[in-house]
Order: sequence, then structure tokens, then C-alpha cells
Amino acid sequence: QKEVEQDPGPLSVPEGAIVSLNCTYSNSAFQYFMWYRQYSRKGPELLMYTYSSGNKEDGRFTAQVDKSSKYISLFIRDSQPSDSATYLCAMSAIGNTGKLIFGQGTTLQVKP
Amino acid sequence: DVKVTQSSRYLVKRTGEKVFLECVQDMDHENMFWYRQDPGLGLRLIYFSYDVKMKEKGDIPEGYSVSREKKERFSLILESASTNQTSMYLCASSPQGSRTQYFGPGTRLTVL
Repeated sequence: QKEVEQDPGPLSVPEGAIVSLNCTYSNSAFQYFMWYRQYSRKGPELLMYTYSSGNKEDGRFTAQVDKSSKYISLFIRDSQPSDSATYLCAMSAIGNTGKLIFGQGTTLQVKP
Repeated sequence: DVKVTQSSRYLVKRTGEKVFLECVQDMDHENMFWYRQDPGLGLRLIYFSYDVKMKEKGDIPEGYSVSREKKERFSLILESASTNQTSMYLCASSPQGSRTQYFGPGTRLTVL
């Protein structure tokens, strides 16, 4: 069993839809939770960062962490064609090496 | 802005060749990482370094080595390239104690 599981999709939605991306994990030591976005032929870039449990909102994006269920989500409201990308969840335990464990990535296509 | 550069965007090598992939970051980050990214498998950590001349194995170090002689530069070496090392290689850096990793654009390596 992988430490972090993410549905690879692909996920195709119409413009304006609400998108829900999810990851589950098995390591209860994870405290840092991130979402990266990767456009085609580019490196990943950090989109959202959450420490421990709770919600975080940034514009059309909301990240949720439920540590009791070992489940994290990224919601995209009013999705746009420019949101078409691969979304990777990443997690880390407390420690000073900064090592991240990534999910497999979900490919999202938003159709105009 | 943080900038992470990788020496080549595309590289084609033959089986058995020694391959060098170079990564340079311009933000004085202590931590540097090498990943490979394959469809359905996400990002897998090959090696990382948290200081000059320091290195630690990641999840899939077999067939690879690394070198970090200067803080800004982290090299990945394929001692004898094989076809199963055909992949996208991503370099990242982060400040000490931070989970935010900054990625380069990637090198797509094909081994024939």
C-alpha cells in the first residue's frame, strides 16, 4: 500500500464546474499538506499549503485536511480552462529534511 | 523569484552511457532534491541533499548517484544508463526547515 493515494483521473469537467480532488494517506505522522499544480511540460508549482487540520481558502481554491480520516481535498470553484493541469498532493512529517511524499497526480481538463 | 534551472529540457542517450543531469538554484537554499516522474507513479524521490557534500538516498536510488560540491548545484548521475531510466527528471530546492519546494522545468531523458 502506498503512503499516499490519489486518483489519477483523468477528470474532465465543463467550465464553471466545481472540482473536487482528493488524496488519502496512511502515515499518521504527516503534519504538512500541500497541493502542487503542474502544467504540461513544466515543473510543479506550489498552489496550497496547510499545516495540520482545517481549511484554507485562496481565491477560487480551498484546501481541506481531515486528519481523523487521513483525507485531504482541494476544491476549485468556477473552474476555468486555465485550471487544466495535473494536480499533485504532497505530505510531510515533522523533521528538518523537508522531504515530501507525493500522490500520483490527477489530470484535470476544464472544457470551455 | 526563486529560480531552479536544469541543464537540458530534452536528452537522448544510449544504453550504457554515463549521463549527467545538472540543477542550479539561485536562492541559497540548503535542501535540494532529485525526482523522477512517470505516468501513474507520480513523483518518486531519488536522492536529496541538505547541505554541501551531504546526500541521502530517497525511495529509488538504485542506478543513480549524486554530487553536491557547491551549495547552488546538485548533479544527478546515471552511471550506466538503461532503458528503464527513460523518464522525466525533476530537480527541486527548498530552504532549511521549509516544506515548500521549488521545481525546475524538468529534463525528459530518453535512453535508447
